[in-house]
Amino acid sequence: DAKTTQPNSMESNEEEPVHLPCNHSTISGTDYIHWYRQLPSQGPEYVIHGLTSNVNNRMASLAIAEDRKSSTLILHRATLRDAAVYYCILSRSNYQLIWGAGTKLIIKP
Amino acid sequence: DVKVTQSSRYLVKRTGEKVFLECVQDMDHENMFWYRQDPGLGLRLIYFSYDVKMKEKGDIPEGYSVSREKKERFSLILESASTNQTSMYLCASSGRQGEVRQETQYFGPGTRLLVL
Repeated sequence: DAKTTQPNSMESNEEEPVHLPCNHSTISGTDYIHWYRQLPSQGPEYVIHGLTSNVNNRMASLAIAEDRKSSTLILHRATLRDAAVYYCILSRSNYQLIWGAGTKLIIKP
Repeated sequence: DVKVTQSSRYLVKRTGEKVFLECVQDMDHENMFWYRQDPGLGLRLIYFSYDVKMKEKGDIPEGYSVSREKKERFSLILESASTNQTSMYLCASSGRQGEVRQETQYFGPGTRLLVL
């Protein structure tokens, strides 16, 4: 099964951009890359996903390397409410996701 | 907005008890999932269902069973609870009929189960 590798934790200052990296060197051609985040005491929530091209939505941007072996989630202006565990996930099939350990993002005021 | 609700936020049970965890979604989703989440282990898939009365084992189905009698409801059953089933249980749903890809999952708030 394809797996992802993320740093255990990262720190950033409030109001600054945050780049969260993810390695997925064993990704297959049909795997989508998903990002979810989990705020304290809540279930995970969807952030963004993509296949080959970079993607933008109201929450974040996703930059995918040309060889698709890595990707970066970009929060353009982090706030204290963005403090969470961020998961980079590959899709196993049309409806299954393979979850890793995630990155704990700490935002400093 | 998608809403996934779980019957309890916190539950305390004794070893050997039968435990029912209920999950309901209001978005007519085809797929429903049960995960458990433990510190340092991330989310692990217990069971999932892609249609009414259908179920598939996930990565850690031992000690659990599920029921999906109606499209909107997916139940997780611990036939005889044990202390190693103390965990956070998360339900999720995804996928409307006709969508090309159905992976985006919407989660409930979770049920924290303590088995004594």
